Amino acid sequence: AQTVTQSQPEMSVQEAETVTLSCTYDTSESDYYLFWYKQPPSRQMILVIRQEAYKQQNATENRFSVNFQKAAKSFSLKISDSQLGDAAMYFCAYRSPINTGTASKLTFGTGTRLQVTL
Amino acid sequence: DAGVTQSPTHLIKTRGQQVTLRCSPKSGHDTVSWYQQALGQGPQFIFQYYEEEERQRGNFPDRFSGHQFPNYSSELNVNALLLGDSALYLCASSLLSGDYGYTFGSGTRLTVV
Repeated sequence: AQTVTQSQPEMSVQEAETVTLSCTYDTSESDYYLFWYKQPPSRQMILVIRQEAYKQQNATENRFSVNFQKAAKSFSLKISDSQLGDAAMYFCAYRSPINTGTASKLTFGTGTRLQVTL
Repeated sequence: DAGVTQSPTHLIKTRGQQVTLRCSPKSGHDTVSWYQQALGQGPQFIFQYYEEEERQRGNFPDRFSGHQFPNYSSELNVNALLLGDSALYLCASSLLSGDYGYTFGSGTRLTVV
């Protein structure tokens, strides 16, 4: 079974600074998807960024980028120019490739709470 | 265009009771997945529905059951509630492959007393 580990329960960053959230995963599959989700106090999971394992290029979405190291099974999220609105729980998630009879379920880590200070 | 709608937003039940949670998927999505998120934890997969059938179940007892209707909306039923069932229940909709992403609702906060 796949597992996702987030070893940083809490992180803090000053406004306008850069922070990196860590995520490692364990899988025997070669093709899969990785996601970072943000969960603010409103509770809704919001997709931040996604990465297909077969793509070597790291995904980027505006101020958010990932460092995907497939061999090391590492998938870290970098937030640049941090803003107060970035404060939330961040979850790393894994999804297996879709196969007949296999649900496209997400396996989540335990999350990292990001605080943004002035 | 409405996203995923879940109802109710909050619910308090007594041990041993039964509860039904509801989810309306995002327009255009045909697959609904349910997750349980205990306090301070990441969401855990309960099950997924597609074409009104359960495709896969996570490590949850039979007290947890579900249904998907022809309009793709879904219900999660939990029987014989335990204190440990207290959690945030999230619904996520997608296309079957999930390749174009999952849209989550804001969840139902269930408290069992």
